[in-house]
Amino acid sequence: QKEVEQDPGPLSVPEGAIVSLNCTYSNSAFQYFMWYRQYSRKGPELLMYTYSSGNKEDGRFTAQVDKSSKYISLFIRDSQPSDSATYLCASNQGGSEKLVFGKGTKLTVNP
Amino acid sequence: DTGVSQDPRHKITKRGQNVTFRCDPISEHNRLYWYRQTLGQGPEFLTYFQNEAQLEKSRLLSDRFSAERPKGSFSTLEIQRTEQGDSAMYLCASSLVWAGGNVGYTFGSGTRLTVV
Repeated sequence: QKEVEQDPGPLSVPEGAIVSLNCTYSNSAFQYFMWYRQYSRKGPELLMYTYSSGNKEDGRFTAQVDKSSKYISLFIRDSQPSDSATYLCASNQGGSEKLVFGKGTKLTVNP
Repeated sequence: DTGVSQDPRHKITKRGQNVTFRCDPISEHNRLYWYRQTLGQGPEFLTYFQNEAQLEKSRLLSDRFSAERPKGSFSTLEIQRTEQGDSAMYLCASSLVWAGGNVGYTFGSGTRLTVV
């Protein structure tokens, strides 16, 4: 079992839809949780960064972490065609610089 | 400073040849990381540097791989005797770690290696 599991999709939604992206993890020592967006032929770009459980909101993006179920979510409201990309979840332990990534979910938002 | 710069963007090499990639981090960042990403997968950690010191290496980094960061500025990743399984995107990232924490990684656009 991989430490971070993510459904690769692909996921296709109409413009304006609410998008829900999810990951599960197995390492109880993970404390930091991140979502990255990766456009084709580009490096990942940090979207959201949370520590431990709870919610964090930034504009149209909301990240949720539920440590009791080891579940990580990213919600995108009012999705736009420019949100079309691969979304990667990542986690790491306190004291470790090694990020463990999921496979990524490819999202397409259709105009 | 326009971000993390990687060179070359693409490299095609024959099996058995040696290749070297370069990464120039954001100038004020003190940590530099190398990751490898294959098609349909997330990035996998290879190694990282705090200034010029290499502090952690993944077991993915076989003895054919070597990374350096002389003078704590740019870094190079060399792969000797390349194999077809080395074909991947090699990503470099940098971050600033200070007493208040880590401001988070900035990734470069990567070097895509194809071994034929």
